[in-house]
Amino acid sequence: GAVVSQHPSRVICKSGTSVKIECRSLDFQATTMFWYRQFPKQSLMLMATSNEGSKATYEQGVEKDKFLINHASLTLSTLTVTSAHPEDSSFYICSARDIRRSSYNEQFFGPGTRLTVL
Amino acid sequence: AQKVTQAQTEISVVEKEDVTLDCVYETRDTTYYLFWYKQPPSGELVFLIRRNSFDEQNEISGRYSWNFQKSTSSFNFTITASQVVDSAVYFCALSESPYSGGGADGLTFGKGTHLIIQP
Repeated sequence: GAVVSQHPSRVICKSGTSVKIECRSLDFQATTMFWYRQFPKQSLMLMATSNEGSKATYEQGVEKDKFLINHASLTLSTLTVTSAHPEDSSFYICSARDIRRSSYNEQFFGPGTRLTVL
Repeated sequence: AQKVTQAQTEISVVEKEDVTLDCVYETRDTTYYLFWYKQPPSGELVFLIRRNSFDEQNEISGRYSWNFQKSTSSFNFTITASQVVDSAVYFCALSESPYSGGGADGLTFGKGTHLIIQP
């Protein structure tokens, strides 16, 4: 149980295009999902917190107009990188918090999406 | 503000040696959670342990053990009789309680320790 999937696992796109990444909790419901970014050989940095049915909360320094987050259901959150540029190339990882175990802040991570912008 | 410090950037040991990965954290919250994750080259995070701030008992799971010391704000991770398959980047992470009201319940990660186990 507690499986989180991400799609796609890898994407290469041209500069200026938009890319959508999906994060799904497969066997549990998640009112809260989190999006992290990891540059090569660096740590994971929280980008935003996505709450089902409400606007996402972005961390300082993260442009909300560039990284659009939609959490339309209890099992799906999407991150859209708009007008992607080479500096947006990174490993994007989502996590989902099980609504039944939220008191422990137990988060389950997806396998990540590697974005390369040419 | 929360902070997690993993001072060891890289550790290299020979197989079968014991190795300890250090983690020091800072938080103003009285209720918080500490985590360790393993990240192999594939990139997928592997959950190892969660510890809440009220539980200072040390834990052992096979060759893995964790030492939580609130007095020194540390949550160190020891691998006994290391194996080549233990080679990975290990992250220590911290989060506040979802009910603390601060809203900061995403995880704050340390910079990670790259562990290399040589055969």
